[in-house]
Amino acid sequence: NAGVTQTPKFQVLKTGQSMTLQCAQDMNHEYMSWYRQDPGMGLRLIHYSVGAGITDQGEVPNGYNVSRSTTEDFPLRLLSAAPSQTSVYFCASSYGQGGQPQHFGDGTRLSIL
Amino acid sequence: GDSVTQMEGPVTLSEEAFLTINCTYTATGYPSLFWYVQYPGEGLQLLLKATKADDKGSNKGFEATYRKETTSFHLEKGSVQVSDSAVYFCALSDPATNSGYALNFGKGTSLLVTP
Repeated sequence: NAGVTQTPKFQVLKTGQSMTLQCAQDMNHEYMSWYRQDPGMGLRLIHYSVGAGITDQGEVPNGYNVSRSTTEDFPLRLLSAAPSQTSVYFCASSYGQGGQPQHFGDGTRLSIL
Repeated sequence: GDSVTQMEGPVTLSEEAFLTINCTYTATGYPSLFWYVQYPGEGLQLLLKATKADDKGSNKGFEATYRKETTSFHLEKGSVQVSDSAVYFCALSDPATNSGYALNFGKGTSLLVTP
């Protein structure tokens, strides 16, 4: 059971570079989301998607883009990396609304120099 | 807006001690409540959940009861083990916000259990 798979696990970028964090799930979940985790801040929602072709902004969307062309994949793009985007990024998916638990990937640790 | 407040850590306990981690929330709608656990270097795992008032979620000896009157969802365990050392997150999902899917997290409470 693969669940939610994130790649890469670690990445170091220079300021101004762009990159894409990959997220794939094999559970046929409708809902997918991206969070960032910073010390003392908990997890904050960046973007989410309720199905293929549908995305929306969360609490901290600036500097990030997403798209959802398939049910399985939900990549997160950093357009021009900034040191403030140094964080651990988690992708999650769930089957439905409300009381359905979310399944998390193992995270991508990103450092921007 | 919605928010989750949980007690600051770190919490350090001896093995077999009683654990309580407090969590209170504010929500626009009628939320579902969750506790997630994060072991070092790993992603978050669902520990337990409750979807309506007075529900009790339980798993691996941990329990939490959805108290609507006090807007609380405190996590308890009667006898902690060294293997329970982790970061614990209280979270809610609110059908009135973010299409009812997204989680709103507390800041996390780090627990260290010593032998």
